[in-house]
This record gives sequence, C-alpha cells and structure tokens, in this order.
Amino acid sequence: DVKVTQSSRYLVKRTGEKVFLECVQDMDHENMFWYRQDPGLGLRLIYFSYDVKMKEKGDIPEGYSVSREKKERFSLILESASTNQTSMYLCASSSRNYNEQFFGPGTRLTVL
Amino acid sequence: SQQGEEDPQALSIQEGENATMNCSYKTSINNLQWYRQNSGRGLVHLILIRSNEREKHSGRLRVTLDTSKKSSSLLITASRAADTASYFCATGGNKLVFGAGTILRVKS
Repeated sequence: DVKVTQSSRYLVKRTGEKVFLECVQDMDHENMFWYRQDPGLGLRLIYFSYDVKMKEKGDIPEGYSVSREKKERFSLILESASTNQTSMYLCASSSRNYNEQFFGPGTRLTVL
Repeated sequence: SQQGEEDPQALSIQEGENATMNCSYKTSINNLQWYRQNSGRGLVHLILIRSNEREKHSGRLRVTLDTSKKSSSLLITASRAADTASYFCATGGNKLVFGAGTILRVKS
C-alpha cells in the first residue's frame, strides 16, 4: 500500500522557534510538494521538488525553506515561526509521468 | 493563483440522494482531477479526466468535462454518510492548482 507519512499530526510551537516538518514517501516518486491549507483559501503551494537537491518556489514561499537530500524525504522548514503560519500543512508526492498526487495525513501546526 | 473554483461552497443532502459539484477553471488544460478530503485528513485522489474525454465513471462517481465552457462536474450517486467530505478539483501538470472546494454533508 502506497504511503506518504508526515512526522507529526499536531504540533504547537512558539513564535520565533525554528520548525521542521518532515515528509517521507515510499513510492519512489520524483516529485514532492508542500502545501498549506487554510479555511476558505483551499490548498496553496509553498514549495515543490522535482528531484533530489532540486527545489522550486510555489505560490507562497515567503517564510519557508525546504530540503530534499534524499529522494524519499522532503522537509519544510520555518526559520522563525510566526502566528500567521498557524495552519494545516500537507505533503504530497507524484511520479514524473503521472499527475495524480498522493497526500500525507497532514500536520496541524499552531504557533503561539 | 486559483485555477479551479468549485460551486457550491457547501451542499447538504439526505442519504440516498445524488450530489453534484461543479468546477470552473480559467486556462487550457490537459486534464482535470477530483480529490476528496475527509475532515482533518489528507486528500485522496478520486478520478482524472483528460481534455479529450467528455465523461468518465468510477463506481458511484461520474465526472463530466466541457472544455468549451471550461467546466467540470462531479456527480456522486446514491450518496452515503461516508461521502461526507470536502471535494476539490485540480488542474495543471506536475504542479497542480486546487480550487477552494465544496463541503458535502450527507445526512443519515
């Protein structure tokens, strides 16, 4: 059974903390994505990666960075968390030749 | 930038009824996808329809695509309480753009 896992389901951090969100997929997918989801705004793409060590900015990259050192792992980093980064974060992966994305269960991050 | 826009924003029906959700998009597409999201969970892919297809079925799901109107619809027949979820359309290639979604509530 194909799987995308995320390191935490719920996370509470304080303003200014550095936050790491980890995503791992076991499908040997080339593409990996980080989204945030807020009520009424749908999913917004933060960053994506087409290959190891490659990354591209999505629609809302400000305040975030990413790391992809291994094909199966894609990390989202909040360098200095702020309250407006309180959100649901969703990771997804897809193969190069097919558009269907497979999603992880999400991490609900609260920044106090 | 949102490519797909779903309509209605919310829909409440009785179990056994059909549910129809619509999606409009702005630019030319190669395909359009529909996803479901149960409350507080990740999205699950339901169906993909290519731009040269007009209709596609998968179990109780029927998707139509009208490229001249830049719109798609998702029909769920004989709905069940377990169909209660948010439904999103998405367009794009490797990089998908999702609409804001339709919240479907099926009452038993």
